[in-house]
Amino acid sequence: GAVVSQHPSWVICKSGTSVKIECRSLDFQATTMFWYRQFPKQSLMLMATSNEGSKATYEQGVEKDKFLINHASLTLSTLTVTSAHPEDSSFYICSAGPGTLYEQYFGPGTRLTVT
Amino acid sequence: AQTVTQSQPEMSVQEAETVTLSCTYDTSESDYYLFWYKQPPSRQMILVIRQEAYKQQNATENRFSVNFQKAAKSFSLKISDSQLGDAAMYFCAGGRGGADGLTFGKGTHLIIQP
Repeated sequence: GAVVSQHPSWVICKSGTSVKIECRSLDFQATTMFWYRQFPKQSLMLMATSNEGSKATYEQGVEKDKFLINHASLTLSTLTVTSAHPEDSSFYICSAGPGTLYEQYFGPGTRLTVT
Repeated sequence: AQTVTQSQPEMSVQEAETVTLSCTYDTSESDYYLFWYKQPPSRQMILVIRQEAYKQQNATENRFSVNFQKAAKSFSLKISDSQLGDAAMYFCAGGRGGADGLTFGKGTHLIIQP
């Protein structure tokens, strides 16, 4: 399958600051990228879908002003958590697609800890 | 709305034996794609197997196979000859494909007993 990278793999930030997470598709052009959130011992929840060059579509209950998503190119999407608070601490996973039979290729995830 | 349900929080199996993980889904979409993903402790999501819901034929990938019951909206995963490396969280997921994200079940923690 295709390779998707995320950077950083782990970030610690202070409450009130913003943090940016990058998602890159390394060997294919991703027309669509997805951002998921996973709390400890829980499942993945879709946060938003971004298409290259257009505004992201957010799932119900996700604050779009808090989680800013930019998909500026076919290989890069960024998620910025603005004014982070401890409750934003979570594991954020991006995926890129569509692949064969609509498979999504997942990045390794980013652990965000807000102190 | 789409839902994916995994009713087994944890399953345990002896090495070399067979285990079946259950999953049901609910959607009104005719074009729907179903996936099983494995998430080891590294938390990297790994595709195990996929199934197009409009196809009746069950997908198979080496030791992994699905039992797809379209009328019952059931999509179970069978792992044959279980190996220690199969120990992980397994998530069932579904989606319409294309520009739509996936809906995941709550996951099943698979333990392999040596």
